[in-house]
Amino acid sequence: KAGVTQTPRYLIKTRGQQVTLSCSPISGHRSVSWYQQTPGQGLQFLFEYFSETQRNKGNFPGRFSGRQFSNSRSEMNVSTLELGDSALYLCASSWIGLAYNEQFFGPGTRLTVL
Amino acid sequence: QKEVEQNSGPLSVPEGAIASLNCTYSDRVSQSFFWYRQYSGKSPELIMSIYSNGDKEDGRFTAQLNKASQYVSLLIRDSQPSDSATYLCAVIRGSQGNLIFGKGTKLSVKP
Repeated sequence: KAGVTQTPRYLIKTRGQQVTLSCSPISGHRSVSWYQQTPGQGLQFLFEYFSETQRNKGNFPGRFSGRQFSNSRSEMNVSTLELGDSALYLCASSWIGLAYNEQFFGPGTRLTVL
Repeated sequence: QKEVEQNSGPLSVPEGAIASLNCTYSDRVSQSFFWYRQYSGKSPELIMSIYSNGDKEDGRFTAQLNKASQYVSLLIRDSQPSDSATYLCAVIRGSQGNLIFGKGTKLSVKP
């Protein structure tokens, strides 16, 4: 079974630009969660989508948004990029996203904001 | 108090020894607990999940959960240099919550 895939793997942007990241979950998984990982803050939850609906949201500004398509693929968008948005962005998929479902991570997208 | 706390390490153990990694959590309603391993420059890899009090063994790994003490641990037996990585403890509160991560413990296994 193929794992979680994320594209692109690396991105370099400048302040003020916007960026869209993509995530394809494991086949059959319907829940996709997004996380931001930085050296200072560690891994922090951004949001979770299930059946094309945002079901759970972390404490990030509105510049961070996402969506999920009918095939469970998900995109994450960051508008008006700031230097502090430089991070590894990870998506994780699980079967239906309940507490007893394990989450599996993709390889991540490394975003650098200059 | 942080929601999930781990010693940042580094924890250094000789090859063949038992590595013991510890994690405490603050929210008593937490009900699902996970250990992830993350190699430098890579994404987290799930190695263990545990949901009820007691021990759960999988190969060289044993997860231990004590909900009364709000404590979860991971034991790695016969540690190998390839086990050198950062180990992340994660917790889910409620029935459909997100993963809440500790900052991770860096483990170094010396040959």
